[in-house]
Amino acid sequence: AQKVTQAQTEISVVEKEDVTLDCVYETRDTTYYLFWYKQPPSGELVFLIRRNSFDEQNEISGRYSWNFQKSTSSFNFTITASQVVDSAVYFCALSGEGAQKLVFGQGTRLTINP
Amino acid sequence: NAGVTQTPKFQVLKTGQSMTLQCAQDMNHEYMSWYRQDPGMGLRLIHYSVGAGITDQGEVPNGYNVSRSTTEDFPLRLLSAAPSQTSVYFCASSHHLDTDTQYFGPGTRLTVL
Repeated sequence: AQKVTQAQTEISVVEKEDVTLDCVYETRDTTYYLFWYKQPPSGELVFLIRRNSFDEQNEISGRYSWNFQKSTSSFNFTITASQVVDSAVYFCALSGEGAQKLVFGQGTRLTINP
Repeated sequence: NAGVTQTPKFQVLKTGQSMTLQCAQDMNHEYMSWYRQDPGMGLRLIHYSVGAGITDQGEVPNGYNVSRSTTEDFPLRLLSAAPSQTSVYFCASSHHLDTDTQYFGPGTRLTVL
């Protein structure tokens, strides 16, 4: 069975600090996909990134970066120089081939204090 | 494109009442799904569909029915609401050529008294 664990329930930092959100996954599939979604206070789910199991290259998008390590089954998300607008709940998710079935972690509530 | 739309945004039901949560997308996506979000549990898959006329169960299907008569619409029916179905419901869709990125609707907050 597939499982995603986000051990950090809540994180609170001061603006401009760097923060890393951890995600550990379990799957027996050889082909799978990993995702991060952001849920701001308004409640919608915003897609941030998708990574497939064959691509372990780290990715950077502005202040956001993702570190995918198959050896440790982790897909961590780092926000550099955090801003108040980054405050949200962040979900890590996993799917096998054909992503009709997303398995989500419990989410990490990130609060950036001014 | 309006993307994925859901109605209503909020709903309060009494135990035993029935209702249908509406979901529509205008992106010609083949795949559509329903998830529920409960505190501390992330989102869990209720039902999904890979195309018109085809539906299947997800992780928590009990108490919910779905049908997919058109590509655009994927309604979720609660036949006899229970307090345990109090949750936020999200509909999602994705294209068959990009099946691995789902785009979510704004959600429906349902309270069952």
